[in-house]
Amino acid sequence: AQRVTQPEKLLSVFKGAPVELKCNYSYSGSPELFWYVQYSRQRLQLLLRHISRESIKGFTADLNKGETSFHLKKPFAQEEDSAMYYCALGGGRGSRLTFGEGTQLTVNP
Amino acid sequence: GAVVSQHPSWVICKSGTSVKIECRSLDFQATTMFWYRQFPKQSLMLMATSNEGSKATYEQGVEKDKFLINHASLTLSTLTVTSAHPEDSSFYICSAPLWRRVDTGELFFGEGSRLTVL
Repeated sequence: AQRVTQPEKLLSVFKGAPVELKCNYSYSGSPELFWYVQYSRQRLQLLLRHISRESIKGFTADLNKGETSFHLKKPFAQEEDSAMYYCALGGGRGSRLTFGEGTQLTVNP
Repeated sequence: GAVVSQHPSWVICKSGTSVKIECRSLDFQATTMFWYRQFPKQSLMLMATSNEGSKATYEQGVEKDKFLINHASLTLSTLTVTSAHPEDSSFYICSAPLWRRVDTGELFFGEGSRLTVL
């Protein structure tokens, strides 16, 4: 069974501080991991996917199969990063995703 | 591009009535759409996968007779909550992948529909 765990429901940091949003997954096959973000009063949108190995808005995430983790990191948080972040797990074709419970990130001035 | 729109954004209905929520892909064709349900401060729970021209695939524990899904065209999927009860009150969200990028895992989400059953 697929499962995604985000241990922190709330995370608060100050502007300029590093931030790490944790995500662990459970999946028997070859996982595809994603981070989705929802800014206030906006719809959910893709932030980044592990297969692209890209940096979006300064965020990066590395898939660690040994630790079954896909933590999202940013070295210097900005106020506009305040949002709800969801880690999601896909198991192949079809885009069927399992979402974690989400982490509400607040970046204080 | 790749905009998904839901209607209505919010709806209030009386217990026992049925409510239909529409999900449209505005600028692309979607052979598959996903319906999620989200309770306050909780994650998105996949309810069913809507397939154009065929029956929807429901997740375990989701009553297919309660949540009727119809995907009659490549741009429209509907979710009908039949004989709604207060416990059906929730935020319903649809999403769709671009067919040519279905392997990428990127989903485009609607704005969601908040249902309140009195």
